[in-house]
Amino acid sequence: KAGVTQTPRYLIKTRGQQVTLSCSPISGHRSVSWYQQTPGQGLQFLFEYFSETQRNKGNFPGRFSGRQFSNSRSEMNVSTLELGDSALYLCASSLAGVRDTEAFFGQGTRLTVV
Amino acid sequence: GNSVTQMEGPVTLSEEAFLTINCTYTATGYPSLFWYVQYPGEGLQLLLKATKADDKGSNKGFEATYRKETTSFHLEKGSVQVSDSAVYFCALSDQAGTALIFGKGTTLSVSS
Repeated sequence: KAGVTQTPRYLIKTRGQQVTLSCSPISGHRSVSWYQQTPGQGLQFLFEYFSETQRNKGNFPGRFSGRQFSNSRSEMNVSTLELGDSALYLCASSLAGVRDTEAFFGQGTRLTVV
Repeated sequence: GNSVTQMEGPVTLSEEAFLTINCTYTATGYPSLFWYVQYPGEGLQLLLKATKADDKGSNKGFEATYRKETTSFHLEKGSVQVSDSAVYFCALSDQAGTALIFGKGTTLSVSS
């Protein structure tokens, strides 16, 4: 079956711009979560959605937002980009949550802010 | 709050050597514990998991045992291969199962 698909794979944006990243989960998976990966901070949780509802949010500023659609596809948006937002953004999907069902990760979107 | 601490890398080994990567955690309640692996240019893949104390997760020759008394989940493999070269992440789930909390990752490099 198809895996988790993230688009685009690479992005270059200028400071102050906004960006939208997309994640298509595995068919049937209702939970989608997002993570930021940087060399300094490692992997940090951004937020998690289940059936279009945000169930949890990590410690990130309000510039980071997300949503989930009825087909479980998810988008995350970062407004007023800063240089420090340069990172690999990973999306993971699971049937119902990461504790009891396996989380499958996409290959990520590499965002570079210049 | 929840946190995961794993040994700093890089770890450099010769093929067929024994591998241990230490991982300890702090958590409220009874989290599930995981090891994920990230190969160059790819996303994370689940390597193994354990959901309760004394459970042993195993996969592809890797093993880890959930030790509640020492709050540890150390990764071991008896004989590493060049193909095991990757970054390994220890992680736990929050109580609600909505988030994974990761350690910083340990880079393993295996030479022939």
